[in-house]
Amino acid sequence: KNQVEQSPQSLIILEGKNCTLQCNYTVSPFSNLRWYKQDTGRGPVSLTIMTFSENTKSNGRYTATLDADTKQSSLHITASQLSDSASYICVVSAILHDMRFGAGTRLTVKP
Amino acid sequence: ETGVTQTPRHLVMGMTNKKSLKCEQHLGHNAMYWYKQSAKKPLELMFVYSLEERVENNSVPSRFSPECPNSSHLFLHLHTLQPEDSALYLCASSQGQGITDTQYFGPGTRLTVL
Repeated sequence: KNQVEQSPQSLIILEGKNCTLQCNYTVSPFSNLRWYKQDTGRGPVSLTIMTFSENTKSNGRYTATLDADTKQSSLHITASQLSDSASYICVVSAILHDMRFGAGTRLTVKP
Repeated sequence: ETGVTQTPRHLVMGMTNKKSLKCEQHLGHNAMYWYKQSAKKPLELMFVYSLEERVENNSVPSRFSPECPNSSHLFLHLHTLQPEDSALYLCASSQGQGITDTQYFGPGTRLTVL
């Protein structure tokens, strides 16, 4: 069983709507959690990084939250745009180089 | 663009072929990585190089052979691959190996093994 579980596996929303993606992890000890966006045919691009002491971080229309007690994170996308269509990957780090990747959520934004 | 380039972008090879994937970073970073991304599976870390020294090898089969001639270039030499090795191979680099160092990914090489 993967130590980083993401849900939903895929999601379709209409342009302009908000959505929330979930990431649950069992990685321990916890170091940091990142959200990446991966467009089709491209490599992942970092959106946010949060350490143990941070519980929210924003990057434009993207807001990530972290609850280190329940080992849950979410990525909220506000006022979605067609360009938000991509895979969103949650990555949890324990120690150096021990990075655990989620399988990603495939988001499709339709006009 | 992220400053990390990969060539070729697509590669089709037979199981008896030998080929190499190339990665180049223009960011002045000291660490470079190879990842494998299979459909609907999490990214798998294959190799890590720091200052041209291999520091991590996650039990990758010997048919994959990395080479890091300098801090800007990373190669993945392939030989006698299997069809299940078909995947997207991503290269990444980071300034250091600190826990908050962000990795910058290249666009990947889509490999198909026939």
